[in-house]
Amino acid sequence: QKEVEQDPGPLSVPEGAIVSLNCTYSNSAFQYFMWYRQYSRKGPELLMYTYSSGNKEDGRFTAQVDKSSKYISLFIRDSQPSDSATYLCAMSAYNTDKLIFGTGTRLQVFP
Amino acid sequence: DSGVTQTPKHLITATGQRVTLRCSPRSGDLSVYWYQQSLDQGLQFLIQYYNGEERAKGNILERFSAQQFPDLHSELNLSSLELGDSALYFCASSANGGETYEQYFGPGTRLTVT
Repeated sequence: QKEVEQDPGPLSVPEGAIVSLNCTYSNSAFQYFMWYRQYSRKGPELLMYTYSSGNKEDGRFTAQVDKSSKYISLFIRDSQPSDSATYLCAMSAYNTDKLIFGTGTRLQVFP
Repeated sequence: DSGVTQTPKHLITATGQRVTLRCSPRSGDLSVYWYQQSLDQGLQFLIQYYNGEERAKGNILERFSAQQFPDLHSELNLSSLELGDSALYFCASSANGGETYEQYFGPGTRLTVT
């Protein structure tokens, strides 16, 4: 079993929809949770970064962490075609820089 | 643009050969990380260097090695290449390594082994 599980998709939604992307994990030592966006043939780009449990909002993006359920989410409001990309969750334990990535969810937003 | 640069963008080589991938971190970043991304394995952490010293090791094969130079750029050396080594190789950097978890990725080097 992988430490981080992520549905590969693809997830196809109309423009303006609310998108929910999720990851589950098994290692209770994970304390830092990140979401990266990766466009085709590009490097991953850091979108959101949260520590421990709770919510964090940045514009149209909201990240949620539920450590009791070992479940993290990324919500995208008013989705745009430019949001079409692969979204990778990543996490790490305290006092380590080693990031463990999910396999990524491919999102397509159609006009 | 993350500020992390990688060269070359593409590399095509034959099995058994050796190649070197180069990475320059963001200005001021001391940590460099190398990742391999393949279709079936996703993004896998290979190795981290912090200010010239190896800091953490992941799923790096013995045929692969890396180093970080005094000017903080890093090189990943891949030898005795096999078909299965074909992948995207990313370099990432972060400010302090251990105090921040925000890693910034370069555009990657696409390696094709024929």
